[in-house]
Amino acid sequence: GEDVEQSLFLSVREGDSSVINCTYTDSSSTYLYWYKQEPGAGLQLLTYIFSNMDMKQDQRLTVLLNKKDKHLSLRIADTQTGDSAIYFCADSGGYNKLIFGAGTRLAVHP
Amino acid sequence: EAGVAQSPRYKIIEKRQSVAFWCNPISGHATLYWYQQILGQGPKLLIQFQNNGVVDDSQLPKDRFSAERLKGVDSTLKIQPAKLEDSAVYLCASSLVGAGYEQYFGPGTRLTVT
Repeated sequence: GEDVEQSLFLSVREGDSSVINCTYTDSSSTYLYWYKQEPGAGLQLLTYIFSNMDMKQDQRLTVLLNKKDKHLSLRIADTQTGDSAIYFCADSGGYNKLIFGAGTRLAVHP
Repeated sequence: EAGVAQSPRYKIIEKRQSVAFWCNPISGHATLYWYQQILGQGPKLLIQFQNNGVVDDSQLPKDRFSAERLKGVDSTLKIQPAKLEDSAVYLCASSLVGAGYEQYFGPGTRLTVT
């Protein structure tokens, strides 16, 4: 079946760039998403990329998509302490169904 | 614009008891989703409604879980009887109809089964 995998933990220094990686198995994905989850809160959509794009930039966020390797990454420039959260990669299946990875916990330290 | 509302926020029950969760989606959103998020994992779709019809319930444990969406608005998710492994956060989300529309998530209900 469809599967999405992510590394579980990333630690960065405040002001540095963070890169969170994700791999997926479904070659028919139309959209790929990045969600952010803060403690005790629901998920918040950060950004998404259409499957026919290679890159999308949105302020401090850059999404790169390598369809050949089924690899997606999220780069956060100038990472701040407020960016500390769990980041989920998600693949869209049929009927707008989302398949989530296990999440990458980003810790930002001074 | 009001977001997705869920209640209760927290629930503790003993195994074999029953529990129900409620969700009120964003006004005008025809599609409603229930996800289960076990600690340390990503959310897993349990059931998806479009208006008051079921689109996908392939991962809903139908022997103990049930869900309904009367009148195509509010929805309830019920577990009867609960097992220890049902301890999780239950997230409700809603979206407009069609592929690619953003799913808006509620804050979730944290269920602990003892």
